[in-house]
Amino acid sequence: GAVVSQHPSRVICKSGTSVKIECRSLDFQATTMFWYRQFPKKSLMLMATSNEGSKATYEQGVEKDKFLINHASLTLSTLTVTSAHPEDSSFYICSAREAGRRYSEQYFGPGTRLTVT
Amino acid sequence: GQQVMQIPQYQHVQEGEDFTTYCNSSTTLSNIQWYKQRPGGHPVFLIQLVKSGEVKKQKRLTFQFGEAKKNSSLHITATQTTDVGTYFCAAHGSSNTGKLIFGQGTTLQVKP
Repeated sequence: GAVVSQHPSRVICKSGTSVKIECRSLDFQATTMFWYRQFPKKSLMLMATSNEGSKATYEQGVEKDKFLINHASLTLSTLTVTSAHPEDSSFYICSAREAGRRYSEQYFGPGTRLTVT
Repeated sequence: GQQVMQIPQYQHVQEGEDFTTYCNSSTTLSNIQWYKQRPGGHPVFLIQLVKSGEVKKQKRLTFQFGEAKKNSSLHITATQTTDVGTYFCAAHGSSNTGKLIFGQGTTLQVKP
């Protein structure tokens, strides 16, 4: 099946610094990727839809200046958490679907555990 | 916005017992997907249902899509310890972007 990688898997950063998380589709092209946030024992909360070559679409309540998304190629999307604060600590997961298959399944990356101290 | 309600939130069963999780939407869904997330892992796609009244089986797992396409269920027969995890239903949002709206998930614990 299709594979999505995410890097790093874990990151600890100090409050006020920025952290970049990469999401790559390894064996397929993904014009659209999705970024989720998941709190312990909670569901996945969609943060934004990342579109290759255009601006991301953010969900209501998600600060686009704080969570910068760049989808520079058909296989890579990045999420940068700027000026991170302890409340940004969470599990961030990306997913991707194959280009041209809008209603197909999504393939999830392994997630990134962010801890802000 | 569009919501998908899923119950129960938690279910503890003895190994060998059956398990069912339910999803409901107030609006008609174009399709519904089911994912499984093992503890410490990420969601993995299980199946997609598209047709009204559709029933699909994967070994001990039975997936149903309601006649009105507003509800769905996942039933596991004779649970095993390998079934442990959180099961999510997910529906495509109405915005035509392909984004998924996830249910709250049902966490299954199986006692050996």
